[in-house]
Amino acid sequence: GAGVSQSPSNKVTEKGKDVELRCDPISGHTALYWYRQSLGQGLEFLIYFQGNSAPDKSGLPSDRFSAERTGGSVSTLTIQRTQQEDSAVYLCASSLVVMNSYEQYFGPGTRLTVT
Amino acid sequence: GENVEQHPSTLSVQEGDSAVIKCTYSDSASNYFPWYKQELGKRPQLIIDIRSNVGEKKDQRIAVTLNKTAKHFSLHITETQPEDSAVYFCAADGTASKLTFGTGTRLQVTL
Repeated sequence: GAGVSQSPSNKVTEKGKDVELRCDPISGHTALYWYRQSLGQGLEFLIYFQGNSAPDKSGLPSDRFSAERTGGSVSTLTIQRTQQEDSAVYLCASSLVVMNSYEQYFGPGTRLTVT
Repeated sequence: GENVEQHPSTLSVQEGDSAVIKCTYSDSASNYFPWYKQELGKRPQLIIDIRSNVGEKKDQRIAVTLNKTAKHFSLHITETQPEDSAVYFCAADGTASKLTFGTGTRLQVTL
């Protein structure tokens, strides 16, 4: 079936504006993860969902970042009052369940540029 | 929490040679160690993984070794080909329900 999809693929926004990034996981996957990848850097964990609940929000960089998941499917990552340091590729991944021995399937990412 | 260090950050090898990437982790409770490959402009994809009950796993030209005592694991690619050029990430699961990734190794296979 279809893989993980993300939208938009690219987003350019002005500093101070809010942005919403969307992730559609693989159908039937209960676990969903958000990561941030800055240029030439590794994968920085932001938050994960088991179903609609987010047991671990420890990776969110500040209170300007929030995420939700509805219906156990689509997730939205919201960044309020964007700053230039928020510029990065935001990757979403899903896996069958929240057990780390299950492969995480990544989406293509959203490249966010804050001007 | 878990901390994963990865070396080297860049690696250049000639086609046909072997490449080795090494990672160390901090949380002795980690049991799952995947490796992801990310080609330029593409999404990361799992290439191989190992669990703590085995010391080595092979899949064609790729192998991963794990030393739980020393808390390090390595990726070995033999007979490298140009299509192996990519960024490789190691990860460990720690005690939380998430993966902690290394900072990546950019592998360049030259002709």
